[in-house]
Parts: sequence; C-alpha cells; structure tokens
Amino acid sequence: DIQLTQSPSFLSASIGDRVIITCRASQGISSDLAWYQQKPGKAPKLLIYKASGLQTGVPLRFSGSGSGTQFTLTVSSLQPEDFATYYCQQLYSYPLTFGGGTKVEIK
Amino acid sequence: EVQLVESGGGLVQPGGSLRLSCAVSGFTFSTYHMSWVRQAPGKGLEWVAAITKDGGATNYAASVRGRFTISRDNSRKTLYLQINSLRAEDTASYYCARHFVVAGSGFDYWGQGTLVTVSP
Repeated sequence: DIQLTQSPSFLSASIGDRVIITCRASQGISSDLAWYQQKPGKAPKLLIYKASGLQTGVPLRFSGSGSGTQFTLTVSSLQPEDFATYYCQQLYSYPLTFGGGTKVEIK
Repeated sequence: EVQLVESGGGLVQPGGSLRLSCAVSGFTFSTYHMSWVRQAPGKGLEWVAAITKDGGATNYAASVRGRFTISRDNSRKTLYLQINSLRAEDTASYYCARHFVVAGSGFDYWGQGTLVTVSP
C-alpha cells in the first residue's frame, strides 16, 4: 500500500500568511494526487486534482505542485475561511489512501 | 445541481449489519466511478471501497474486505454499501463520493455523510 505522510500535522498561522503543506508518498505516484479542505461537520471539498489542477470555483490563492513522491499545497495569502483541515490523497493505485491531515488554525 | 444524499446509518450492535444508500441527482450516474470514504469521530479520512461506473469491478480497503460490499443500481441512480460483522472500529461517518471524470484526479462531489455507531 502507498503511504502518504503529510507535514506539518498542525499549523498555526495569521491572516495573510503564506502557508505550505507537504505530502510525501512512499513510492512514486506520478501526478495522481488530490488535495481536499475539510471544515468541522462538513464533507471534504476538492481543491486540487492531478497534483496541480485547480478545481472549478476554488480561489486562485490555492495552488498545488509536485510529482513522483513529493507534493505541496500552497495558500498564498491565508484568509479567515481557510482555517480548516487539509488532506492529500493518492489515486495512483488501490487501495486509495489519504494523508493524516494538516489542521490550520489561527495564530 | 449535483447532489449525493446518504442514508441508512444508525446505532447497531457489534456483529450487526447495515446497508447504506447514496442517492444521486444532477448528473449521469452511470458514467462515473464511485467510492465510499469514512471518518471516525475526530480522526482522518479513510477510503473504504470503490466501484466502476458499470459495477463490473470493485476494490476495498483491507480493513473492510470480506465484510463490506459496494454495489450500485444505475437505473435507480443509487450507490450502496452493505456492511456486515460490524465492529466498534467501524464507528464513523460514511461519505459517498464521485470520482472526477479524469482518472487519478480525485473525488469532486461528496455527500453530507451518514453516521454509523457500533455499540452494545
């Protein structure tokens, strides 16, 4: 099974900060990686598909990069509505797996 | 508008069974692969099972293989998850999710979730 390691697991940041979350895969997964945002009590929301594709309706301050085993999600200027938990997911092979999550909280 | 609505969750004793349903609308169900994802209280996301658009192939997480069965009825636009031999560790919110049309891309629509609680 492909393991995904997200870091950090917790992040404290201020409005306007640039935030970078990393996701490392235990083996190469090409660009078959997605990023999600989840707020308490809500379903996850797709932000980034295929490692760098911005999902329709997602603000341009979100971006994704990487391929192979190293991936990043960047929020260029953190907004109040961005405080949430973020997950990466690999769709390269079954079983599909998620990273452990990164909780972004207000400093 | 794309909608996925889960139902069928509830309180069940260990060893019991439930069938979860996910009724969809707003898109051509038969042209999309689908998955179930669960989330234990206060924990992260865990992919559970997937099924191809025609129902011809399925995949399962090791933790549920042999106990859970994913299926679909394209005529009814409904996805199912039969869960048997329930254990305390199966307690979670269960989400159905639509696979993005491009393979390997992610899940672009999710339901609101249905809570399964396994307790004596």
